[in-house]
Amino acid sequence: QQNVQQSPESLIVPEGARTSLNCTFSDSASQYFWWYRQHSGKAPKALMSIFSNGEKEEGRFTIHLNKASLHFSLHIRDSQPSDSALYLCAVRGYSAGNKLTFGIGTRVLVRP
Amino acid sequence: GALVYQYPRRTICKSGTSMRMECQAVGFQATSVAWYRQSPQKTFELIALSTVNSAIKYEQNFTQEKFPISHPNLSFSSMTVLNAYLEDRGLYLCGARGQANTEVFFGKGTRLTVV
Repeated sequence: QQNVQQSPESLIVPEGARTSLNCTFSDSASQYFWWYRQHSGKAPKALMSIFSNGEKEEGRFTIHLNKASLHFSLHIRDSQPSDSALYLCAVRGYSAGNKLTFGIGTRVLVRP
Repeated sequence: GALVYQYPRRTICKSGTSMRMECQAVGFQATSVAWYRQSPQKTFELIALSTVNSAIKYEQNFTQEKFPISHPNLSFSSMTVLNAYLEDRGLYLCGARGQANTEVFFGKGTRLTVV
């Protein structure tokens, strides 16, 4: 049974600062790793994904994946008030079929 | 683009009654549909996963008897909450995916209040 944990639970950052979110998983055979973002009252929407060890950058957002340490992270450079949302990490294990397991979420508030 | 619509957006039901919620995929074929419940205490619990040509798989603590799901075609799924009680309150989200390993698209959810 895949266990996905996120930290911190919530975060307040000043505008322009760097935001770092963490996600750990328990299935070492996991293959696909996603970050979703959910603004208040809106549907969760996929932000970024990574499938192999290393780093992936898209604009102000960077994902790091380290399968050996069962950890991946999301970093937001130059955080903006519009980045304020609930961030959910999701993992698909090797034997999980199409099942995507989500973490509990990190609530981010970017203060102007 | 790919969109997922859920309805109703909000519903209130009396304790012990049942309610049905629906999920419609537009712009892609939903070969896989997952139903989640997002609550203040434990966000994003997976209830069940339905994949075309496979049996619906329910997670621990969720049963077909309590949350029957229908996935009759590649654009529609429904789930019923039978005999709803206070612990069933929350935002029920439908996540649909086309091809394997691609993005899951979510609807805005159906918020269930039980009184």
